[in-house]
Amino acid sequence: ETGVTQTPRHLVMGMTNKKSLKCEQHLGHNAMYWYKQSAKKPLELMFVYNFKEQTENNSVPSRFSPECPNSSHLFLHLHTLQPEDSALYLCASSLPPLAGGPDTQYFGPGTRLTVL
Amino acid sequence: QKEVEQDPGPLSVPEGAIVSLNCTYSNSAFQYFMWYRQYSRKGPELLMYTYSSGNKEDGRFTAQVDKSSKYISLFIRDSQPSDSATYLCAMNGGTSYGKLTFGQGTILTVHP
Repeated sequence: ETGVTQTPRHLVMGMTNKKSLKCEQHLGHNAMYWYKQSAKKPLELMFVYNFKEQTENNSVPSRFSPECPNSSHLFLHLHTLQPEDSALYLCASSLPPLAGGPDTQYFGPGTRLTVL
Repeated sequence: QKEVEQDPGPLSVPEGAIVSLNCTYSNSAFQYFMWYRQYSRKGPELLMYTYSSGNKEDGRFTAQVDKSSKYISLFIRDSQPSDSATYLCAMNGGTSYGKLTFGQGTILTVHP
């Protein structure tokens, strides 16, 4: 595997289910990100991890719970979601962003989530 | 007002046309400007990035930044059907490092 991988690629869940999304990066990066992509809206940054530490939580509801056990793996635990949470969830990674430097992020293919 | 504005299109052009994609932004602290391409059912992939004002060319793609007007462009020469995708502008800078701000994306179709 190369680049950034995400599993599952598609997920359908009920509002009472609990599920997890997985992301793995094979690029030697130390920063990892979760984004939400909804139709006709810009990518919304959800969480940022640098060296396994969460450095950004963009006011995300607690029904989304991230976990970063090491610099290569990132999870997004989901529980009691709402239909409006249906979207494409993208994981990205990068070298540690430096003050004054470009932030070039590399994305996985995403998980298409449908909440019924 | 959104921090980054991008016309979502869709934009449809014939093969061989020159395509111009644009974004405007409001945050004068932005210094790095990226263009990502996203094919259907795939994640965004970085095409190129530019620092501050000026032009950058990579093959058929040219990125332009005009910081005085807070306006960035991506030009695609000799467009091909394989260029059909959604193009996303993104930017960061100043104190917002580690946090990209994206445009909505422009859907482009190049028809044979």
